[in-house]
Amino acid sequence: GQQLNQSPQSMFIQEGEDVSMNCTSSSIFNTWLWYKQDPGEGPVLLIALYKAGELTSNGRLTAQFGITRKDSFLNISASIPSDVGIYFCASLVSGNTPLVFGKGTRLSVIA
Amino acid sequence: GAVVSQHPSRVICKSGTSVKIECRSLDFQATTMFWYRQFPKQSLMLMATSNEGSKATYEQGVEKDKFLINHASLTLSTLTVTSAHPEDSSFYICSARDRGRALENGYTFGSGTRLTVV
Repeated sequence: GQQLNQSPQSMFIQEGEDVSMNCTSSSIFNTWLWYKQDPGEGPVLLIALYKAGELTSNGRLTAQFGITRKDSFLNISASIPSDVGIYFCASLVSGNTPLVFGKGTRLSVIA
Repeated sequence: GAVVSQHPSRVICKSGTSVKIECRSLDFQATTMFWYRQFPKQSLMLMATSNEGSKATYEQGVEKDKFLINHASLTLSTLTVTSAHPEDSSFYICSARDRGRALENGYTFGSGTRLTVV
């Protein structure tokens, strides 16, 4: 089946540092979504991308949809302790199919 | 925004008993519900997809007789883990899709249920 390869698997950073993570796929997708999951909670949507080359921001978060439609990255600037969690990329083939998830990037922020 | 209420958040049950997990869409119609399970430090694994009023479609390797899904209304879907065993212990998450909503608002996750079978 379709797979999203997400990296890095985990990151330990100092508070205030910038963070970058990415997802790649061998398949072309029309949508890229980035979610954050706090411990013991369900994922919450951070950013949605719909067009190749699209760059979208949400506060300190910025995500881009790769021009090949096979990759996306998420940047977090000036990290803070509450950024701790697991970040997942996700995509889908069409509007009513299940989301395909990457394996997640576990972010730890050291104050 | 769209809210999915999932209950219980945590449950501990004895081996051999059944557990029911509920997901309710509070302010939209959940035309499609997806059920996931998540093991520690792993990603979400799709178990099944259900459309309101229809039988659920299960992913390969998921036992439909063990994980009973009911989606009888547009606001409620349930997952029943029957004859639970310790290996069923996991984090179960539902995701509701409203076909009438824009895509970015169309997949809403519940807060998850931590099931521990002892």
